[in-house]
Amino acid sequence: NAGVTQTPKFRVLKTGQSMTLLCAQDMNHEYMYWYRQDPGMGLRLIHYSVGEGTTAKGEVPDGYNVSRLKKQNFLLGLESAAPSQTSVYFCASAQTGQRPNYGYTFGSGTRLTVV
Amino acid sequence: AQKITQTQPGMFVQEKEAVTLDCTYDTSDPSYGLFWYKQPSSGEMIFLIYQGSYDQQNATEGRYSLNFQKARKSANLVISASQLGDSAMYFCAMSVAFMNRDDKIIFGKGTRLHILP
Repeated sequence: NAGVTQTPKFRVLKTGQSMTLLCAQDMNHEYMYWYRQDPGMGLRLIHYSVGEGTTAKGEVPDGYNVSRLKKQNFLLGLESAAPSQTSVYFCASAQTGQRPNYGYTFGSGTRLTVV
Repeated sequence: AQKITQTQPGMFVQEKEAVTLDCTYDTSDPSYGLFWYKQPSSGEMIFLIYQGSYDQQNATEGRYSLNFQKARKSANLVISASQLGDSAMYFCAMSVAFMNRDDKIIFGKGTRLHILP
């Protein structure tokens, strides 16, 4: 009963380093999303995917890349980390096309600090 | 452009009182979904309640109800008989391109609720 799993949970990067955040879901959901949460800003959509092999830009895509090679995994990459990317990152998934009475399922978040 | 507005950055409420958290939205799509999420200090996002734009009745889930006023484009969350455990950040969210190929949700900036003993 894992739901949405994000790894790692915490990470500290130096400016210019690269890293990949992994989101894995076991609910066979078609749609997956990456958000960042910053104080006073709510959650802002970075990129999303409506199915395996597809990705699309959200509100704040600059500095990030994503891939959805397998339906259950959605990867968020930072090629050259900047202090402005210090944030808490959330992944979510959903099976849309149906009434989402259950809402969208979120992972527990990744706290990333770029120094 | 689609937008969610939460005008109350913070609220203090006495325990056992009812609470109303405000949310207004803007969209030109006739079909959309509205959500409320709770984020306690531990950080996880907890789904509370959902309202579809075509739903005739206001959604209710236990102590939570969504006061949906479509003409005013408002979707306020009402918590009855507040408890200390209700202290958290609350986010209003809207699904745009609802149930279509491009379905995604956008969030307001949140309201931090403090329940006082």
